[in-house]
Amino acid sequence: GESVGLHLPTLSVQEGDNSIINCAYSNSASDYFIWYKQESGKGPQFIIDIRSNMDKRQGQRVTVLLNKTVKHLSLQIAATQPGDSAVYFCAENGVNRDDKIIFGKGTRLHILP
Amino acid sequence: DTEVTQTPKHLVMGMTNKKSLKCEQHMGHRAMYWYKQKAKKPPELMFVYSYEKLSINESVPSRFSPECPNSSLLNLHLHALQPEDSALYLCASSQGARGLYEQYFGPGTRLTVT
Repeated sequence: GESVGLHLPTLSVQEGDNSIINCAYSNSASDYFIWYKQESGKGPQFIIDIRSNMDKRQGQRVTVLLNKTVKHLSLQIAATQPGDSAVYFCAENGVNRDDKIIFGKGTRLHILP
Repeated sequence: DTEVTQTPKHLVMGMTNKKSLKCEQHMGHRAMYWYKQKAKKPPELMFVYSYEKLSINESVPSRFSPECPNSSLLNLHLHALQPEDSALYLCASSQGARGLYEQYFGPGTRLTVT
C-alpha cells in the first residue's frame, strides 16, 4: 500500500480570508461525497455533503465543488475564523455501494492572526 | 438530539485485561460503525452494523469483538490487546447504510494499552 508519513498537508490562511481545501477522490463510480471537520481531541463533525448529480452546494460560509471529470472535490470556507482551525477530511462512498465511507488523508487548516 | 455518546472518554488497560467501549445514539439511525484513528491519520473502519446485523468486518483481529444489543447501542469488547492498539476509537451512526448518508461521530475513547 501507499506509504503515508506522519505529516498532514497543512494550509495556512490569514484570518478573514477565504480558504480552499482540495481533495482528489479515487473512484469514478462514487456518487456521494462528504466533508468532515475534526478539531483536536474530538470526533469528526459533518460539514456538508454533495451527490454526484450536482457540481456545487452551499451551506453557511461553506461551499463544496465537485468536478467529476477530474475526480476532484473542494471545500471553500468564506471569511475564515480561528474556530475553523482543524483537520478537514473528504470522504466518498466508493464503487461497491456497501456500507463504507472512504476517508481521504486529511488537510490541517491553520489560521494566521 | 443529534448526539452520539461514547464511554469512557479515556481508558488505560494492560495487555491481559478485558474491557468494553460503549456507544449510544437516539437518532433512530439504523447503521452504526466502529473506527480506529491513529494520530495524524484518517479514521480507519473496523466494523459496520446495519439493522443490528454485522455487515462489515474489515479483517479486524479477534481481540476486538463488536456487539450490537439493540438499534441504539454498540459495544466493542477488548481482550488481550497489544500496545499498537493504542488509538482513538470512534463510534458513528447514520440514518441508513449503503454509503448514502452522512455519519455522525461520537467524541471517541482514547485507549492506551500498556
